[in-house]
Amino acid sequence: AQRVTQPEKLLSVFKGAPVELKCNYSYSGSPELFWYVQYSRQRLQLLLRHISRESIKGFTADLNKGETSFHLKKPFAQEEDSAMYYCALETGANNLFFGTGTRLTVIP
Amino acid sequence: EAGVAQSPRYKIIEKRQSVAFWCNPISGHATLYWYQQILGQGPKLLIQFQNNGVVDDSQLPKDRFSAERLKGVDSTLKIQPAKLEDSAVYLCASSLEIPSESYEQYFGPGTRLTVT
Repeated sequence: AQRVTQPEKLLSVFKGAPVELKCNYSYSGSPELFWYVQYSRQRLQLLLRHISRESIKGFTADLNKGETSFHLKKPFAQEEDSAMYYCALETGANNLFFGTGTRLTVIP
Repeated sequence: EAGVAQSPRYKIIEKRQSVAFWCNPISGHATLYWYQQILGQGPKLLIQFQNNGVVDDSQLPKDRFSAERLKGVDSTLKIQPAKLEDSAVYLCASSLEIPSESYEQYFGPGTRLTVT
């Protein structure tokens, strides 16, 4: 069975500090992984997907199949990065299996 | 373009009552999803439609939940009868038809259901 683990429910960092939101997965198939973000009073939206290898709003995430991880990183956190972040695994036919989320707070 | 629309935004009902939620996806999106998000958890897929056919409803509690997507556009999700544990935010999302290069799902604002 598939599993997505986000070990930190809450994460606080100071503005300008590096940030890393952890995500580990368990899946028997070939993984397709995503990060979705929900800013305060906004809708859940796609931040980035591993297959596109792009950097969005300064965030990057590398799929490490050996460690079954897909950690989200940003070298310098900004106040506007404060949000709820969900790691998600596609389990087939575009079905997404979400982790429990990490609430990031960037302290000014 | 207009986003995914959902109504109502909030609903409070007593246990054993019935409730229905409505979703209008982004125009041209053939695939529609309903998720349940319980407080403190990530969204959990309940059902996925492609056009008006069901692709996956393995997580839908079919004894009390039902969903339909007549004419392949709007969709309704119904709970009958509701239980206390159904209290959650119900999210609707849509995406382009699968298979596609774009797997992005676009989410609606959600309906917050409280069962008392």
